[in-house]
Amino acid sequence: GAVVSQHPSWVICKSGTSVKIECRSLDFQATTMFWYRQFPKQSLMLMATSNEGSKATYEQGVEKDKFLINHASLTLSTLTVTSAHPEDSSFYICSAYLRTSTDTQYFGPGTRLTVL
Amino acid sequence: GNSVTQMEGPVTLSEEAFLTINCTYTATGYPSLFWYVQYPGEGLQLLLKATKADDKGSNKGFEATYRKETTSFHLEKGSVQVSDSAVYFCALSDQWKLVFGQGTRLTINP
Repeated sequence: GAVVSQHPSWVICKSGTSVKIECRSLDFQATTMFWYRQFPKQSLMLMATSNEGSKATYEQGVEKDKFLINHASLTLSTLTVTSAHPEDSSFYICSAYLRTSTDTQYFGPGTRLTVL
Repeated sequence: GNSVTQMEGPVTLSEEAFLTINCTYTATGYPSLFWYVQYPGEGLQLLLKATKADDKGSNKGFEATYRKETTSFHLEKGSVQVSDSAVYFCALSDQWKLVFGQGTRLTINP
């Protein structure tokens, strides 16, 4: 149980285009999902906290107009990287709280974004 | 603020060796502590956790004890296998947010 999927697993796009990444909790409802960014050989950096039906809360230094987050249902959150540039190339990972759990997050497999 | 510090890697061991990966934390209050593992090409998986002082988390032969007096949560395994090669992340929960250490890359040679 507690499976989280991401789609796509990898994407290559041209500079200036927008890319949408989906995060789904497959067998549980998640009121809260998180989006992380992981640079090569580095740790995960929290970008934003996404609560179902409300606006996302962004961490300091994360541009909310560039990284649009939508959490329309209890099983789906999306991250849209708008007007992507090569410096946005990274590994993006989502996680979700199991609703009945106190503090355990379950992670998706990640999405590799490469902006040319 | 809250933070997690892990021993720097990479760590390379021979199969059946004893493993310790050090993790210390700084936190206000009493966070839960976690070890996550990231196998090559995969997402993070929860390895074990402890929610209060003196709790011991264990899974797949790995263990870690929540030591409040030393603010530590060191990961140990008595006999590692090649399949344990991965990146290991120590983390604490800050309310609902996770704060991660920098990760330790472990390579086990046959």
